[in-house]
Amino acid sequence: EVQLVESGGGVQQPGRSLSLSCTASGFTFGDYAMSWIRQAPGKGLEWVSVIRSKIYGATTEYAASVRGRFTISRDDSKSIAYLQMNSLKTEDTAMYYCTRFSSGSIEYWGQGTLVTVSS
Amino acid sequence: DVVMTQSPLSLPVTLGQPASISCRSSQSLVYSDGNTHLNWFQQRPGQSPRRLIYKVSNRDSGVPDRFSGSGSGTDFTLKISRVEAEDVGVYYCMQGTHWPLTFGGGTKVEIK
Repeated sequence: EVQLVESGGGVQQPGRSLSLSCTASGFTFGDYAMSWIRQAPGKGLEWVSVIRSKIYGATTEYAASVRGRFTISRDDSKSIAYLQMNSLKTEDTAMYYCTRFSSGSIEYWGQGTLVTVSS
Repeated sequence: DVVMTQSPLSLPVTLGQPASISCRSSQSLVYSDGNTHLNWFQQRPGQSPRRLIYKVSNRDSGVPDRFSGSGSGTDFTLKISRVEAEDVGVYYCMQGTHWPLTFGGGTKVEIK
């Protein structure tokens, strides 16, 4: 059974940093791209970032709203994907979902971790 | 970026009656390999989203056959043949053909 478990969320002040982790199980982590998607309270879904598998060079993509502030990475030996969030803004407040991406689709979602940016 | 436009925003439905949600993209979702990466997700209250449909019309394992997807190019539809109480939630379309991935704004399905 595929499982994605996010951690690292919490309350942080604007301008500070936060690091999210996604621990995966139930599949060969290194074979898949991993993506972060967020949802602001009461709002819709917004794609944040993706990191492809090493076969595809572990290349990354970012939404314009986070480019230059967020960094996605992966540790295939531990089956963990990360999202380093710097220079946080109040508009980054959201539930952050770790997802598995394949063939133009989001196949699986984690339960999410809540990030609140507030002074 | 590809803009995904869903309608209606809200869909009150009587139990046992059909429901239909429209999703339109600002450009064609046909990928270079010929596949069309249009997906549908359901988000029940208080839960994470889950995928229902991928590549326009392929239902995920465990998804009831009352859910069906159709469409092509830029115009897509999710249909529920007979709405049940467990179908209450918000439905999102998402395109996976072009980067960045983009979602429709969501359609809230509720029981009348």
